[in-house]
Amino acid sequence: DIQMTQSPSSMSASVGDRVIIACRASQTVSTFLNWYQHKPGKAPKLLIFAASSLYSGVPSRFSGSGSGTDFTLTISSLQPEDFATYYCQQSYSAPGTFGQGTKLEIK
Amino acid sequence: EVQLLDSGGGLVQPGGSLRLSCAAFGFTFSSYAMTWVRQAPGKGLEWVSSISGDGGTTYYADSVKGRFTISRDKSKNTLHLQMNSLRAEDTAVYYCAKDLGWGGATRIWDRWGQGTLVTVSS
Repeated sequence: DIQMTQSPSSMSASVGDRVIIACRASQTVSTFLNWYQHKPGKAPKLLIFAASSLYSGVPSRFSGSGSGTDFTLTISSLQPEDFATYYCQQSYSAPGTFGQGTKLEIK
Repeated sequence: EVQLLDSGGGLVQPGGSLRLSCAAFGFTFSSYAMTWVRQAPGKGLEWVSSISGDGGTTYYADSVKGRFTISRDKSKNTLHLQMNSLRAEDTAVYYCAKDLGWGGATRIWDRWGQGTLVTVSS
């Protein structure tokens, strides 16, 4: 199975900050890389698919980039509702493995 | 509006069984692959099982193969996960999720249920 590793595992930031979360695959996944946001007690939400495509309804402050094995999720200006855990997930091959998550907390 | 409503979780003893359900609304259920993903306490998301739109093809994580069975009822627009021989390590919130792609399995999950908690403990 392809292993996904995110960094950092947790971080704190302030409203208005620019935040970058990294994700690395153990082998190439081309651009078959997706990002989800998950808040406690809520359903996970798809943010970005195919590395850089913004899912319908997701604010434009979220963006994704990368290909091959290295990817990033960028939040251009943090809003209060963005504090959550973020997961990358590869959809290149079965099973669609997730990274361990990056918990984004308020500074 | 697309909605997925998970149900069926609860407390069960090790070795016991439980059947989860996920009622789907707002889309052509039989046209989309469906998936179960779980999150153990304090852990991340883990893919469990998927089923094709027509129900003819199923996939399982090694950790549940031979114990869990995924199925779908197109007459009721409902997804199921039959869980047998449950272990403590199966304790988790279980989410059903809809595939993004019409017709095929993209392994991109664009809509999720709210989750149902399964606790395996004596």
